[in-house]
Amino acid sequence: DAKTTQPTSMDCAEGRAANLPCNHSTISGNEYVYWYRQIHSQGPQYIIHGLKNNETNEMASLIITEDRKSSTLILPHATLRDTAVYYCIAYYSGGSNYKLTFGKGTLLTVNP
Amino acid sequence: KAGVTQTPRYLIKTRGQQVTLSCSPISGHRSVSWYQQTPGQGLQFLFEYFSETQRNKGNFPGRFSGRQFSNSRSEMNVSTLELGDSALYLCASSLDEISYEQYFGPGTRLTVT
Repeated sequence: DAKTTQPTSMDCAEGRAANLPCNHSTISGNEYVYWYRQIHSQGPQYIIHGLKNNETNEMASLIITEDRKSSTLILPHATLRDTAVYYCIAYYSGGSNYKLTFGKGTLLTVNP
Repeated sequence: KAGVTQTPRYLIKTRGQQVTLSCSPISGHRSVSWYQQTPGQGLQFLFEYFSETQRNKGNFPGRFSGRQFSNSRSEMNVSTLELGDSALYLCASSLDEISYEQYFGPGTRLTVT
């Protein structure tokens, strides 16, 4: 799996959009970008994933650059409950790896 | 639909003992993965099971083992516990071998004294 790089921490004001960047410059053509988050003392929660095109669901939007070397997770209206560690993972779904490799992630703190 | 359940939620053991943790995946999910989370090492992959077969194993000693039953429920066992095994053990399930949207349980907090 390609290595991903994320900022250690970020702050965001409640009600504003939170934009979390992720660099995955060595991603291969068949690797998807997955985002998970972990609220303190809970298990990680799947947010969204994508391959090339931008994706949106009820939780967030995922913007992947055309060269696929980086992506941004967007929480459109951050709330205090969005304070969590956010993990960006590059993973090939369909191979024989069958494991997610979590890095250190980004601690997003949403402030009132 | 019920989520992933793990039992027990908290456990205290002493060095040298063994422990068995249980995980019930979401109904219909056939893949179960186990992870260890510690403050120093973060989330580390232990092993993954699909249809009762272990398909991948992380870099953990042989004291860590697991199995999956025909109903997809899974157990992991740690023998000869060490202080460093104190961690949050997380189980995750996914629908099948292609989808990797994993759904995590709340974890079992193991403390070894």
